[in-house]
Amino acid sequence: AQKITQTQPGMFVQEKEAVTLDCTYDTSDPSYGLFWYKQPSSGEMIFLIYQGSYDQQNATEGRYSLNFQKARKSANLVISASQLGDSAMYFCAMRYNNNDMRFGAGTRLTVKP
Amino acid sequence: SAVISQKPSRDICQRGTSLTIQCQVDSQVTMMFWYRQQPGQSLTLIATANQGSEATYESGFVIDKFPISRPNLTFSTLTVSNMSPEDSSIYLCSVDPSRGPNYGYTFGSGTRLTVV
Repeated sequence: AQKITQTQPGMFVQEKEAVTLDCTYDTSDPSYGLFWYKQPSSGEMIFLIYQGSYDQQNATEGRYSLNFQKARKSANLVISASQLGDSAMYFCAMRYNNNDMRFGAGTRLTVKP
Repeated sequence: SAVISQKPSRDICQRGTSLTIQCQVDSQVTMMFWYRQQPGQSLTLIATANQGSEATYESGFVIDKFPISRPNLTFSTLTVSNMSPEDSSIYLCSVDPSRGPNYGYTFGSGTRLTVV
């Protein structure tokens, strides 16, 4: 069965520093997609970054990068130069062959000034 | 990417009543998904709604409790029936805008439901 695991319920980071949010997954499908979403206190889900299972390079989007280690089945999100506005819940998600998306438990990130 | 208008944004309902949540998409999409997010929890898929066919429900969710309509490729509703306080959650609809995976799935702004 497919499963997404986020083991960090909460993380703290100093403003302007980098932080890594962990995500591991389990699937037997060779083709899958991995996503990270940000959910601020307003409740909206904001898409951040995507990594395909066949992608050779790690995905990057501005200050967000995804450290994809396929053999370890991990897809950690790295946020560089943290900002106060980065404080939010972060969810790792996986999509596989039936197109729906399954989410991890989430990590609450707090950026300290 | 697709823009979703989800209504209502929040509601407080009496137990035993029903609430219908609407999602309108600004473009045609094949698949729409309904999620529930209980307080402090992650998102759990309720069902997948395709136009012209019955919705496919996940384990633990039944049509009698969460009937879904999908009359066309831009609109869907989710009804939460015979509500109890345990149904207090955020309900979100989501679509695959089919512009490629790099755009991710788009989510509505959510319906924050409180059952009293």
